[in-house]
Amino acid sequence: DAGITQSPRHKVTETGTPVTLRCHQTENHRYMYWYRQDPGHGLRLIHYSYGVKDTDKGEVSDGYSVSRSKTEDFLLTLESATSSQTSVYFCAISDRPGLEGYTFGSGTRLTVV
Amino acid sequence: GESVGLHLPTLSVQEGDNSIINCAYSNSASDYFIWYKQESGKGPQFIIDIRSNMDKRQGQRVTVLLNKTVKHLSLQIAATQPGDSAVYFCAEINQAGTALIFGKGTTLSVSS
Repeated sequence: DAGITQSPRHKVTETGTPVTLRCHQTENHRYMYWYRQDPGHGLRLIHYSYGVKDTDKGEVSDGYSVSRSKTEDFLLTLESATSSQTSVYFCAISDRPGLEGYTFGSGTRLTVV
Repeated sequence: GESVGLHLPTLSVQEGDNSIINCAYSNSASDYFIWYKQESGKGPQFIIDIRSNMDKRQGQRVTVLLNKTVKHLSLQIAATQPGDSAVYFCAEINQAGTALIFGKGTTLSVSS
């Protein structure tokens, strides 16, 4: 999607290893989000950011941390990956979340073996 | 708690039919709702939104209806086409107004 890039697109990692996913935007939007998508669960919010160094937890934040040192980048870290974190991870951006919709990235498919 | 759900996980229609996808939400204070479309292997795409001070909003071939009395949201797609085949999600803004809460999705299959 224009203005938002996720990397990597695919990753396979071993249980217990740290993993960092990156979301980069060129829209200068204030809000950035990480969601995970699993069959039967839809999209569930992990963490979000409302400004540089300002973050908050979502409904499934355990086992994940985030950082936002620049407006354009939002990092999601799995400190010690587990098989239950195998999922598709989506980043999204918004300038006014209560007034307009998000723009989503193309997703990162993470497999923990 | 806040949650959004959909009535049916799958919906199959014939090309040219009108489709109706339903969604129930639990937070009566929610004031902003969105429908997203997700094609296979892609991120969700915005379709249409509606605020709680409206009952209906129309876009190109799509209409969203909001019934606040029964906390129900629906997406109507007119003259459904094979390109409409996708997973459709409804979402509502959380109480803080900072993040969207998504339902589990309905898979729409259109046969020609």
